[in-house]
Amino acid sequence: EADIYQTPRYLVIGTGKKITLECSQTMGHDKMYWYQQDPGMELHLIHYSYGVNSTEKGDLSSESTVSRIRTEHFPLTLESARPSHTSQYLCASSESTVKAFFGQGTRLTVV
Amino acid sequence: EDKVVQSPLSLVVHEGDTVTLNCSYEVTNFRSLLWYKQEKKAPTFLFMLTSSGIEKKSGRLSSILDKKELFSILNITATQTGDSAVYLCAVESGSEKLVFGKGTKLTVNP
Repeated sequence: EADIYQTPRYLVIGTGKKITLECSQTMGHDKMYWYQQDPGMELHLIHYSYGVNSTEKGDLSSESTVSRIRTEHFPLTLESARPSHTSQYLCASSESTVKAFFGQGTRLTVV
Repeated sequence: EDKVVQSPLSLVVHEGDTVTLNCSYEVTNFRSLLWYKQEKKAPTFLFMLTSSGIEKKSGRLSSILDKKELFSILNITATQTGDSAVYLCAVESGSEKLVFGKGTKLTVNP
């Protein structure tokens, strides 16, 4: 059973605010990912990390940033939220293969 | 550009029916194909396929990959209302990243 946690589950925030979406896993996985998913659409990879101090941008351009200071923690930050950032954000982790375990997601609404 | 196309996009059936979900792909340096079930929020892993012609089976769910024709199918027999979900197909390319399709939304009515 996967142990990967995201907080908050839901967030409604005003334009211009700085936000951090938290993601933690207790499986010791080296690889972690952030996906963005709009209703009825594909998951798009926005950031990934293959280990501590390693972060890369994904296939979908995003104004968010990430950090990986500890293996278990992979937070995503938006410095200045905009309505176009409204979406669902899913965090995932995996061991050596791409068989990823997903968190419950954060539904972000920027008003 | 890597692409994964799922069909149908939505499907409504009655309990007990058998359904077949389709996934076709175009990726560079194919490595594996994965199926996930997404209920409400978190996708949960179902199958990972790497070789053609070998069926993976788990209870009423089964899946098979055809690497020559670049597609996979997911079969669900004797469907139950608990099978209602979005089923996601994803393909791992040479860059070790997953490319997802839009998913098939399955609704099983009692």
